[in-house]
Amino acid sequence: DAEITQSPRHKITETGRQVTLACHQTWNHNNMFWYRQDLGHGLRLIHYSYGVQDTNKGEVSDGYSVSRSNTEDLPLTLESAASSQTSVYFCASRDDGNTEAFFGQGTRLTVV
Amino acid sequence: QKEVEQNSGPLSVPEGAIASLNCTYSDRVSQSFFWYRQYSGKSPELIMSIYSNGDKEDGRFTAQLNKASQYVSLLIRDSQPSDSATYLCAVNGDYKLSFGAGTTVTVRA
Repeated sequence: DAEITQSPRHKITETGRQVTLACHQTWNHNNMFWYRQDLGHGLRLIHYSYGVQDTNKGEVSDGYSVSRSNTEDLPLTLESAASSQTSVYFCASRDDGNTEAFFGQGTRLTVV
Repeated sequence: QKEVEQNSGPLSVPEGAIASLNCTYSDRVSQSFFWYRQYSGKSPELIMSIYSNGDKEDGRFTAQLNKASQYVSLLIRDSQPSDSATYLCAVNGDYKLSFGAGTTVTVRA
């Protein structure tokens, strides 16, 4: 069955370190998204991509970057981790058009 | 103004009652609307999608859409303890999904 997977599921890192969270989908969806979820804020969009070599900033993109070298993967990089980036991160993908998004299992990141 | 706003919770309802969740959005050109359910510690899962004005029913769930009022709602009939979760309203604008902060529902046995 097609799916979307995130790794790692849990990560503890130190302030100032570079961290990369992986997201891999097997649906062949063009559209992929990264959200962070914090209490009281719901899901906030970090970056998104409509296809290979396309990336766009979301509402909370500062301190994060993404790259899209193939259809299946959209890794999220925290250039220099900060305590404010402690959160649960969700990757999602969707087909073209007004369709639903499918979510990965989430990555819980703690920056100490 | 936030793009998507949901009625503040938490919402506590007795088993068998109707839970009513509301959502308003700011982008008038939005074309599709979704309700996701998220259990604690899990990822969001789709329970309803709605694209045109009116009601859409799926089992115990009914979604209502009023584009003129920029309003989406979700009714959960005959609420069960298993419905206890956070419900997220999502609105599709410019090919990206924007989410509300969520409403936490607790169904009391």
